[in-house]
This record gives sequence, structure tokens and C-alpha cells, in this order.
Amino acid sequence: DAKTTQPTSMDCAEGRAANLPCNHSTISGNEYVYWYRQIHSQGPQYIIHGLKNNETNEMASLIITEDRKSSTLILPHATLRDTAVYYCIVRSSNDYKLSFGAGTTVTVRA
Amino acid sequence: SAVISQKPSRDICQRGTSLTIQCQVDSQVTMMFWYRQQPGQSLTLIATANQGSEATYESGFVIDKFPISRPNLTFSTLTVSNMSPEDSSIYLCSVDISGTYNEQFFGPGTRLTVL
Repeated sequence: DAKTTQPTSMDCAEGRAANLPCNHSTISGNEYVYWYRQIHSQGPQYIIHGLKNNETNEMASLIITEDRKSSTLILPHATLRDTAVYYCIVRSSNDYKLSFGAGTTVTVRA
Repeated sequence: SAVISQKPSRDICQRGTSLTIQCQVDSQVTMMFWYRQQPGQSLTLIATANQGSEATYESGFVIDKFPISRPNLTFSTLTVSNMSPEDSSIYLCSVDISGTYNEQFFGPGTRLTVL
């Protein structure tokens, strides 16, 4: 049973912000939202994670709704190198496992 | 961060044979994991490689098919035994360097084709 729901695919324009949605309506209080991405022929790469507050790092921003049932990953200025499969993962603070769903295939177009 | 290397990067094997994949990390890590990514699919956790004890396998994966060794804190091997074409996948190792279940770092993967 999937803990997250993401769109199958989306296109983004180079230089524009890319907003990737994720639904996690059954998330519980001790579960974090993680984002990873997998560029073609590479291993997954960690992007960001958060519990309830919005988070920002050098790669992206994570916006989590107040009820925590959904979140949005924002790539502020998408480049062609951001073309990848993006995975939204819900994981509890005491669980080492990462359960990858199907993810969103993001294609950045020039 | 951690730099992870895997050997071989790819291989083509005959059914019924076995292949051992190596994972080397540039620093000592507490937790190491092995994943499988079947063609066109997402990643599935095979097992956690425990240093000094038997690996912990996920549902659907057994030690006889995927024996794992972890002789120290920087190295692990995964063997795919008695291979069949259904074992054709990318096999990836990952590590958690902080031990706090934050980010995991992944190796580049080993692309296995079984004929």
C-alpha cells in the first residue's frame, strides 16, 4: 500500500520554477517527508526532507501543508540537468527503510 | 557526504551462474543497504548489510538467493546466486553515514543482464 501519490510525469520549462506535488494523506505524526531524485543511469540522490516546517537548501525548497497531508518540492530555476525521476517518500524517524514508489518523471525542456 | 563505488559496473551472465557485486565506501558507515531496480521499475530494498552479523532481508528476498557479506564498516558484497533472466536488474548499494536515518547515499549501481 503506497504511502504517497505523485503524478506520473510533468514537463517544465528551463529557467522556470518546477513545482512537484505529493499527496501523503495517511502520514502520521512521527513521519518525515523525503525527496530523492534519480537521473538516468545513476543512483538516487537525496534532495531534502522535512517534518512540518518548510525547508530550503541549495537544491530545492520543500513546502508542507499545515495538515501535513501533502507537500510540494520546488526547484527554483529548473535546468536541463534536473531532468530525472523524483521520488516523494514518507519515513518515520526511527525507520531506516526507504520505500520508493513510482515517482514523477520530470522533463525539463529548453 | 560519502563516495561509493561498485564493481562491476555491468555484467552479462549466463543463467545458473552466480555474480558477486562489491560495494566500497570511502568512510566508515553504520548502515549499508542493497536495493534492486528491475527494468522500468522503482527501487526495492533487498536487505540491510550488518557488520559482524547476518544481513536482515526484506520480505520476498532470501539469503540462499542473495547472500550478503559485510566484513567491515566500509565494504559489502551482494551475490546473486543461480541466476535466471528474471534477475536482470540494476543492483545498488546505499549507506547512511550519520546513523540518524537522514539522507542515504547511493552507489552508481551494477547493471546485470542474465541470458
